[in-house]
Amino acid sequence: NAGVTQTPKFQVLKTGQSMTLQCAQDMNHEYMSWYRQDPGMGLRLIHYSVGAGITDQGEVPNGYNVSRSTTEDFPLRLLSAAPSQTSVYFCASGRTPVGPQHFGDGTRLSIL
Amino acid sequence: AQRVTQPEKLLSVFKGAPVELKCNYSYSGSPELFWYVQYSRQRLQLLLRHISRESIKGFTADLNKGETSFHLKKPFAQEEDSAMYYCALSAYSGAGSYQLTFGKGTKLSVIP
Repeated sequence: NAGVTQTPKFQVLKTGQSMTLQCAQDMNHEYMSWYRQDPGMGLRLIHYSVGAGITDQGEVPNGYNVSRSTTEDFPLRLLSAAPSQTSVYFCASGRTPVGPQHFGDGTRLSIL
Repeated sequence: AQRVTQPEKLLSVFKGAPVELKCNYSYSGSPELFWYVQYSRQRLQLLLRHISRESIKGFTADLNKGETSFHLKKPFAQEEDSAMYYCALSAYSGAGSYQLTFGKGTKLSVIP
């Protein structure tokens, strides 16, 4: 089992560019989520999904879009990258939102 | 809204000394509490959840509802325990949704 797979691992963007961070899980988990990790801030929830076709905003959703067309995939889109979005992004999945979550390796994103 | 507080950003202890990583939470209902650990250059992984009341890698954590705390303890620190530790709370956030809220993390450094 691969678990939660995130691509790419590293990315450098210019301000104003758009991109999609990919997340896939092979555990048939209904719940998936995206976090950003910043020094001294811990992990903050961006968006989450409780199943295919259902998404909702977390604590810091501005500047990001998500969709959930399948159970396996939960991509995160940056619409117009800003330097404030420089961060490490983690995708996670779990059977339920209240149970243990499985995390991907993260994507380190730098925006110049 | 729920909140998780980890008062120490950095905790340094000598090998063999006891360790206590503090976590306090704010939530009016019955929370699900977790400790996650992130070793250097690795993904976050679940260490403990309060409901299971088990010991993992020598660590234990007890939920104290009166003090709204979920401190992580280990009687004898090992060098391999050096890592970033996050306390997390999963709770109902309204409108049928749940959110997993993380503290800002404590970096544990075990000195040989």
